[in-house]
Amino acid sequence: QSVLTQPPSASGTPGQRVTISCSGSSSNVGNNAVAWYQQLPGTAPRLVIYSNDQRPSGVPDRFSGSKSGTSASLAISGLQSDDEADYYCAAWDDSLMGVFGTGTKVSVL
Amino acid sequence: EVQLLESGGGLVRPGESLRLSCAASVFRFSAYAMTWVRQPPGRGLEWVASVSASGATTFYSDSVRGRFTISRDNSMNTLYLQVTSLGAEDTAIYFCGRSLSSHPRATAFDIWGQGTVLTVSS
Repeated sequence: QSVLTQPPSASGTPGQRVTISCSGSSSNVGNNAVAWYQQLPGTAPRLVIYSNDQRPSGVPDRFSGSKSGTSASLAISGLQSDDEADYYCAAWDDSLMGVFGTGTKVSVL
Repeated sequence: EVQLLESGGGLVRPGESLRLSCAASVFRFSAYAMTWVRQPPGRGLEWVASVSASGATTFYSDSVRGRFTISRDNSMNTLYLQVTSLGAEDTAIYFCGRSLSSHPRATAFDIWGQGTVLTVSS
């Protein structure tokens, strides 16, 4: 029941900047904070951005988040091989449930 | 080390029930809201349920409401998910997560368990 739409894939060469979009609605992204997760194969998700643009301790400043209206974005600058993973956005929905994005697979060429 | 450890998954038949557990260690469990998130094989993350720090307030996804119950025992530092009327669509890895806040209306989870696998099949 994902209601946050992400592109299925994104890619870049080492050192490049990659941006992932997350499109929602006024009841979720437009009215609540957005979080972003990185998930490596076979592992649990890792929080990389919360409250739209805040980085948890230990997350490199190469990761940045932003939000405008009903859309949010995650940018990874200085792309590295270990950034290759699936990325998900998430937000609370005013219908009283959490929602995740459809997920984006980031590849480092 | 702050950690969460899930248990209780397994292979069950359609219509059966099970209780998943998530044991917390090395942090003040009673101060944080908690959540369950699942991931079907080869698919994306799906939020399942959240509970407030006190356990008094709970929220559920439409797909599990009425069948799953989230609860917690703060004296035992343990989170639970009682799952009933299971169907094939419930087959997934179930992760528990710690919210950054005490209220459950949030989706920022900073600590995760390794997951427990639930397979529903006849």
